[in-house]
Amino acid sequence: DAGVTQSPTHLIKTRGQQVTLRCSPKSGHDTVSWYQQALGQGPQFIFQYYEEEERQRGNFPDRFSGHQFPNYSSELNVNALLLGDSALYLCASSLGTSSGTQYFGPGTRLTVL
Amino acid sequence: AQSVAQPEDQVNVAEGNPLTVKCTYSVSGNPYLFWYVQYPNRGLQFLLKYITGDNLVKGSYGFEAEFNKSQTSFHLKKPSALVSDSALYFCAVRDINAGNMLTFGGGTRLMVKP
Repeated sequence: DAGVTQSPTHLIKTRGQQVTLRCSPKSGHDTVSWYQQALGQGPQFIFQYYEEEERQRGNFPDRFSGHQFPNYSSELNVNALLLGDSALYLCASSLGTSSGTQYFGPGTRLTVL
Repeated sequence: AQSVAQPEDQVNVAEGNPLTVKCTYSVSGNPYLFWYVQYPNRGLQFLLKYITGDNLVKGSYGFEAEFNKSQTSFHLKKPSALVSDSALYFCAVRDINAGNMLTFGGGTRLMVKP
């Protein structure tokens, strides 16, 4: 049973560029959440997708956007990258939007130069 | 707003001794509480959760946690620590009246020495 997978593993971009990160949920899961984990900190909630719609959003600017596909996989897009966007981006999947446990992928390490 | 506090940046314990990693939370409604563990350059692994029912929750790898509503705490415990338990531990809370987002504490590094 495949767990949550994310691609790419590492990414280096320069300020002002745009980036797309990808996530495939655990088999049987239909909900995807994205988190940003800055170095030395706990993860912070970016947004959650269910039924191809953004259901909840954390305190992140509009430069952060996402998408969910019919097969439940998801993308996180970040425009106009800033140095402060350097972080580990974690995708988590769950079943439904109620009490389902969120299972995390290995993350994508984004470095903005 | 919901929040989580992990008051210790690091906990040191000798192998074979019991360990406790502390967590307190604040929510406006009823909480769902979670513990995750993170190894270097890895994502978060789910350990255990409290939703309702018995205040003592048992999870993976011999870990357990006790929900204390009056003290708004959810401390992680293990009777006998292993060197392989050394990792970064995160407590997280979800307010069932505020959607499905998890709010994490800052993390506690557990160091188990042989």
